[in-house]
Amino acid sequence: GENVEQHPSTLSVQEGDSAVIKCTYSDSASNYFPWYKQELGKRPQLIIDIRSNVGEKKDQRIAVTLNKTAKHFSLHITETQPEDSAVYFCAARGDTGRRALTFGSGTRLQVQP
Amino acid sequence: NAGVTQTPKFRILKIGQSMTLQCTQDMNHNYMYWYRQDPGMGLKLIYYSVGAGITDKGEVPNGYNVSRSTTEDFPLRLELAAPSQTSVYFCASRTTGEGNTIYFGEGSWLTVV
Repeated sequence: GENVEQHPSTLSVQEGDSAVIKCTYSDSASNYFPWYKQELGKRPQLIIDIRSNVGEKKDQRIAVTLNKTAKHFSLHITETQPEDSAVYFCAARGDTGRRALTFGSGTRLQVQP
Repeated sequence: NAGVTQTPKFRILKIGQSMTLQCTQDMNHNYMYWYRQDPGMGLKLIYYSVGAGITDKGEVPNGYNVSRSTTEDFPLRLELAAPSQTSVYFCASRTTGEGNTIYFGEGSWLTVV
């Protein structure tokens, strides 16, 4: 089955700095890669996703890049704000087998004002 | 349109008791999932269903059972609860098709004592 590894497990940045979170996946058949933000006691919220036919996608301060050859994808948050503090999860899914998201272990992002 | 609804939101069980977590969606989604999230960890797939009458095991199915008699409902049954089943449980659903967004319920917090 799919295996997704996520690094780092914790990340502390100063407000206004950039934050980068990296994930690798094992199943070359995976073709959908979403990122979720989870605040304490809440459900995961989709913040951006990318499909395998695209190398990069941007939405305001958030961008995701995908390298299918290397089987890794990354989340980039620019001009970080205190409200960006949360746990971020990457995930991967293919359209065969379980057709379910496999999640990384999460990154706790702390943005210091 | 209520989305994905889970009940109960909080429950305390004694070791050896059984219970059912209810999940219903009103979006006519074919795919439904149950995940568990242990403290400080990512989400692990328990069971999933690709349509009414079809269910299959995920990564961590032991101690659980599911059924899918209708498109809308996907209950998760815990038999003989154990402390290791203390977790937050998320139900989710999506339509078929590549890359379609998954919708999460608000979660059910279960403690086994």
